Amino acid sequence: DAKTTQPNSMESNEEEPVHLPCNHSTISGTDYIHWYRQLPSQGPEYVIHGLTSNVNNRMASLAIAEDRKSSTLILHRATLRDAAVYYCILRDDDWGKLQFGAGTQVVVTP
Amino acid sequence: GAVVSQHPSRVICKSGTSVKIECRSLDFQATTMFWYRQFPKKSLMLMATSNEGSKATYEQGVEKDKFLINHASLTLSTLTVTSAHPEDSSFYICSARGTDEKLFFGSGTQLSVL
Repeated sequence: DAKTTQPNSMESNEEEPVHLPCNHSTISGTDYIHWYRQLPSQGPEYVIHGLTSNVNNRMASLAIAEDRKSSTLILHRATLRDAAVYYCILRDDDWGKLQFGAGTQVVVTP
Repeated sequence: GAVVSQHPSRVICKSGTSVKIECRSLDFQATTMFWYRQFPKKSLMLMATSNEGSKATYEQGVEKDKFLINHASLTLSTLTVTSAHPEDSSFYICSARGTDEKLFFGSGTQLSVL
């Protein structure tokens, strides 16, 4: 299974953007890049996903490198509610195993 | 958005007893559900993939006789921890595959075995 590498933690001030990097150098052509986040004592929630093109939704933006070996999740204006562990996951086209890595703990300070 | 309901949210049981955890997709049909467990400060570990109407597929190292999974309908999957012991204490999370390439997660079940 293709794996992802993320920094252990990142800090941000409230109202400022957060850029969360993810490396996936062994990604295959059919792997979708998914991002989920998990607040304490809760199940993860979907954030965004993409295949090749950059994606935007109301929660975040996803910038995918041209060679697809890395991607960046962008939270445009961090709020205290965005403090969570963010997971970058590769999902193959046949909906195979969805394995979570260690994720990035985002800390938002007022 | 789609909702996955997981019940109970917390359970405390005595060693040797069995505990059943339910996972329901409330407003969509889920032919595939996934069960994870999570230890404190750790990431989610996939335990098994549950497919409606067929046997679950377990990850390596997960005892199928210890963790019984039943996915008898398109909206319900259950995980039964049989003869639970303190080392089975963990946060268990289910998820259901939606039709729009997203996974929807339950809120998790904290199991404590005394």
